[in-house]
Amino acid sequence: DVKVTQSSRYLVKRTGEKVFLECVQDMDHENMFWYRQDPGLGLRLIYFSYDVKMKEKGDIPEGYSVSREKKERFSLILESASTNQTSMYLCASSPHPTRWGREEGNTIYFGEGSWLTVV
Amino acid sequence: TQLLEQSPQFLSIQEGENLTVYCNSSSVFSSLQWYRQEPGEGPVLLVTVVTGGEVKKLKRLTFQFGDARKDSSLHITAAQPGDTGLYLCAGGIWGTYKYIFGTGTRLKVLA
Repeated sequence: DVKVTQSSRYLVKRTGEKVFLECVQDMDHENMFWYRQDPGLGLRLIYFSYDVKMKEKGDIPEGYSVSREKKERFSLILESASTNQTSMYLCASSPHPTRWGREEGNTIYFGEGSWLTVV
Repeated sequence: TQLLEQSPQFLSIQEGENLTVYCNSSSVFSSLQWYRQEPGEGPVLLVTVVTGGEVKKLKRLTFQFGDARKDSSLHITAAQPGDTGLYLCAGGIWGTYKYIFGTGTRLKVLA
């Protein structure tokens, strides 16, 4: 079974701290994604990566950075955590090696989520 | 910013009623997925629709993909309390690497 593992399920951090959220997948997937989920706003794309050392901004990248030094690991970094970054963060991966086109379906796998509270 | 707008945002209905949830975008999608998410859990895939105009049925749930591959709908017949949850549409935007989610519809079915 494909496994996407997020390093921490629940974290509490102080304002101004540097926060690392780690995500590891074990199926050699090319694409990895970070989302955050807030009530009434759905799941919003922060950053994604389609190859090692490649990254692209999603819809809400401000206040975040990412690192993809190895294919299996995609890290989300909050350089200086703020209270408005309190949220649930979800990592995902997908084996799709090219831009989305006419395929049988976009297979995507999710981690269990990380609940971050910034106080 | 490419968006997937879902409507309605909230829906509270009585057991046995029918309902439809809509998912609309100005972007073209390779395919669209529908998920259901329970509190504290990640999204669980319900169905994938791939071809424009496609209709798929999953017991009491009927999913349709728009002809232009920009929109989709989820229809539930005779809703039951077990259908309660957050419903999300999502998909890969054609010609990009991006995979985005809809804004979500929170459904509550009362017994």
